[in-house]
Amino acid sequence: QKEVEQDPGPLSVPEGAIVSLNCTYSNSAFQYFMWYRQYSRKGPELLMYTYSSGNKEDGRFTAQVDKSSKYISLFIRDSQPSDSATYLCAMRRGYGGSQGNLIFGKGTKLSVKP
Amino acid sequence: DGGITQSPKYLFRKEGQNVTLSCEQNLNHDAMYWYRQDPGQGLRLIYYSQIVNDFQKGDIAEGYSVSREKKESFPLTVTSAQKNPTAFYLCASRNGGRQGEFNQPQHFGDGTRLSIL
Repeated sequence: QKEVEQDPGPLSVPEGAIVSLNCTYSNSAFQYFMWYRQYSRKGPELLMYTYSSGNKEDGRFTAQVDKSSKYISLFIRDSQPSDSATYLCAMRRGYGGSQGNLIFGKGTKLSVKP
Repeated sequence: DGGITQSPKYLFRKEGQNVTLSCEQNLNHDAMYWYRQDPGQGLRLIYYSQIVNDFQKGDIAEGYSVSREKKESFPLTVTSAQKNPTAFYLCASRNGGRQGEFNQPQHFGDGTRLSIL
């Protein structure tokens, strides 16, 4: 079983839809969780960064962490064509030495149709 | 503007040739990373450095080498020993090294796409 599992999609939704992106993980030592957005031929851009279980909201984006189920989600409300990108989840155990290294999901490719 | 600059954007390598990818950051970050991204594979860690003059191997270090002589620079050399070098290479940095504020996320450059001639 891979440490981080993420459905690669592709996922296609109409403009204005609510999008749900998910990752599961197997290592209960993961404490820090991130979502990155990556446009084609560009580097990943940090969207959300969370530590504890629960929800964190930033504009149209909500990150949700459920450590008991080892499950994280990113919700996008009122999706726009400009949200079309690949979304990567990432997580790490801590911050010292190799514990600070990120483990990435494979990314979910999202397309929002006008 | 503060950020991470990778150059060149596109690079071609001939068989048996070593090539070096540049990564420079002006964020005053201590830690720097190199990743390789292949279609359907996600990001895989090649090397990382938490402080100047120190670096460690990541998960796929074979066929690669790095140096960290300056805080702002972390070049990656793809050697001829790397038999499948065609990929998108991403450099990242993060505030905090061995001692400092560790609870910071990584930020990425815009990558270098390496292809074989």
